[in-house]
Amino acid sequence: DTGVSQDPRHKITKRGQNVTFRCDPISEHNRLYWYRQTLGQGPEFLTYFQNEAQLEKSRLLSDRFSAERPKGSFSTLEIQRTEQGDSAMYLCASSLQLRPQETQYFGPGTRLLVL
Amino acid sequence: AQSVSQHNHHVILSEAASLELGCNYSYGGTVNLFWYVQYPGQHLQLLLKYFSGDPLVKGIKGFEAEFIKSKFSFNLRKPSVQWSDTAEYFCAVIPHSGGGADGLTFGKGTHLIIQP
Repeated sequence: DTGVSQDPRHKITKRGQNVTFRCDPISEHNRLYWYRQTLGQGPEFLTYFQNEAQLEKSRLLSDRFSAERPKGSFSTLEIQRTEQGDSAMYLCASSLQLRPQETQYFGPGTRLLVL
Repeated sequence: AQSVSQHNHHVILSEAASLELGCNYSYGGTVNLFWYVQYPGQHLQLLLKYFSGDPLVKGIKGFEAEFIKSKFSFNLRKPSVQWSDTAEYFCAVIPHSGGGADGLTFGKGTHLIIQP
């Protein structure tokens, strides 16, 4: 399978703990996106990378959230001092920059539950 | 900023019925439009997309959508649904020339249930 992969698929943590998620994009894709999806809602944009540069961050991304893509390949999303409101599905997507035609392909997501 | 509205949050149909799911967006410029589908237990998959040209686009599994610029709409249709079409359907939009800035904006989704 050469699609977008995410690890772990599920994470249960206690409030106040730090968690880190990983996303491996489709190999030739230079753009990588993070989204968050809560129950009954569509995915909401968090941030995106073009190669290793983080080019945009949503207002949803508080100071407790940090994302990296150190070598322009895989990316990590870390949440520090987790809160119950962080419970959600965290989705990663990747795309090949083909302005203006660009399609994002999504991974299976990491479901986070903060107790 | 752009926004997307999906009018029907839950739709229940019988097999072989025709389907139309509404999607309207608000944005002052040109947009790219998408429908994604999420089958039970699976990840988001691209159903179809519109960038430019013929406003009637065809996707996988017999789905099609029509872009009506004057109505800011991109409704999804299928003439005869199957039980396997039971899924969550999301409409999404991104500015045509804005690069990746702000990512995709999604609607809240429509939960479609097909009864055998």
